Amino acid sequence: KNEVEQSPQNLTAQEGEFITINCSYSVGISALHWLQQHPGGGIVSLFMLSSGKKKHGRLIATINIQEKHSSLHITASHPRDSAVYICAVARNKLVFGAGTILRVKS
Amino acid sequence: DAGVIQSPRHEVTEMGQEVTLRCKPISGHDYLFWYRQTMMRGLELLIYFNNNVPIDDSGMPEDRFSAKMPNASFSTLKIQPSEPRDSAVYFCASRWEALTGELFFGEGSRLTVL
Repeated sequence: KNEVEQSPQNLTAQEGEFITINCSYSVGISALHWLQQHPGGGIVSLFMLSSGKKKHGRLIATINIQEKHSSLHITASHPRDSAVYICAVARNKLVFGAGTILRVKS
Repeated sequence: DAGVIQSPRHEVTEMGQEVTLRCKPISGHDYLFWYRQTMMRGLELLIYFNNNVPIDDSGMPEDRFSAKMPNASFSTLKIQPSEPRDSAVYFCASRWEALTGELFFGEGSRLTVL
């Protein structure tokens, strides 16, 4: 079993929909990262969390340390949100989930 | 700051050739990471440095891979000899430990070994 599991693997949404991507992990961590990778390959760090919730624009990330679970929410989704979203947990090094491929249709 | 700078962006080479990938981290960052991304295995850590010293190279696939960081502003990842299974996108990332720990990635170097 992978240490970091993401769901869903693929997600297609209509513009304006509320989107949730989930990440579960099985090990003790010091922090959790959410990354975004656009077609063309560049990777951008969206959030780093060790507890609670963070918000940046239309993006919200939450983490429940006890349940070893994090969610990334996108409100009022837009086609430009189409990307791969990757969860990564920080131990002595980052361990990555397989990613969630999001496509937002207009 | 221009961000993490990697070169080359794309490289196509033949099996057996030496490949050198380069990375310039963000100035002031103490940690530098080399990652590899493939369709089959996703993102994997190859090696990371702290203050130019290699800390964990357990992700380096085999002796054909080597990485150096001669100073705080430059690192190389070398593959010699290259093989088709080395084809991947190689990312360099850096961070400043004293801050949030947020990682800043380069644009990646796409390597194709024929």
